[in-house]
Amino acid sequence: QVQLKETGPDLVQLTQTLSITCTVSGFSLTTYNVHWVRQPPGKGLEWMGAMWNGGGTDYNSAFKSRLSISRDTSKSQVFLKMNSLQTDDTAKYFCARHRLVYGSYFFDYWGQGVMVTVSS
Amino acid sequence: DVVLTQTPPTLSATIGQSVSISCRSSQSLLDSDGDTYLNWLLQRPGQSPQLLIYSVSNVESGVPNRFSGSGSETDFTLKISGVEAEDLGVYYCMQATHAPLTFGSGTKLEIK
Repeated sequence: QVQLKETGPDLVQLTQTLSITCTVSGFSLTTYNVHWVRQPPGKGLEWMGAMWNGGGTDYNSAFKSRLSISRDTSKSQVFLKMNSLQTDDTAKYFCARHRLVYGSYFFDYWGQGVMVTVSS
Repeated sequence: DVVLTQTPPTLSATIGQSVSISCRSSQSLLDSDGDTYLNWLLQRPGQSPQLLIYSVSNVESGVPNRFSGSGSETDFTLKISGVEAEDLGVYYCMQATHAPLTFGSGTKLEIK
């Protein structure tokens, strides 16, 4: 059974660093890619970046200078780390599995998300 | 970045009514490899997004066949043939042809 679960702080102080863990089960991080997507309250979805199954990463340039994605395959975990948080980083952060199907590019499973508030 | 414009922003439907949602892209989503990476997702209230349609018209496993997708290049449509109560939520289109991956602004479906 495929599952993704995000864990992280509810509250982060302004200018501090956010760290979120996505723990997956039912599949291997060496077979599937995992992406990060965020959603500010009442707003739409924003792609942040990806951890490729081969160990590489890709980032949305809107975050590139302050976002880092890494993984620990032995623990089936993908990590998001973002520094210099501002109030507009308040959002629900999701991890999602990217199913590799030839000719397609989509996320077939999502975590339930973790809501992070940036406070001054 | 590719901008995906969804219309209408809000849709009110009765049970059994058929509705369509439009997603227009600021650039063609036809990739140089011949594929079009346009998907549709539904986010029910309080839930995570779920995949409905991938690659324009392929219905994800487990998704009712009242959902269908069509379109090409810059114009895409999601159709629900006979809305049911469980279909309420926000529908998003999503493109993965051009980096960065982007989402539409969403269409909220309300049930009358």
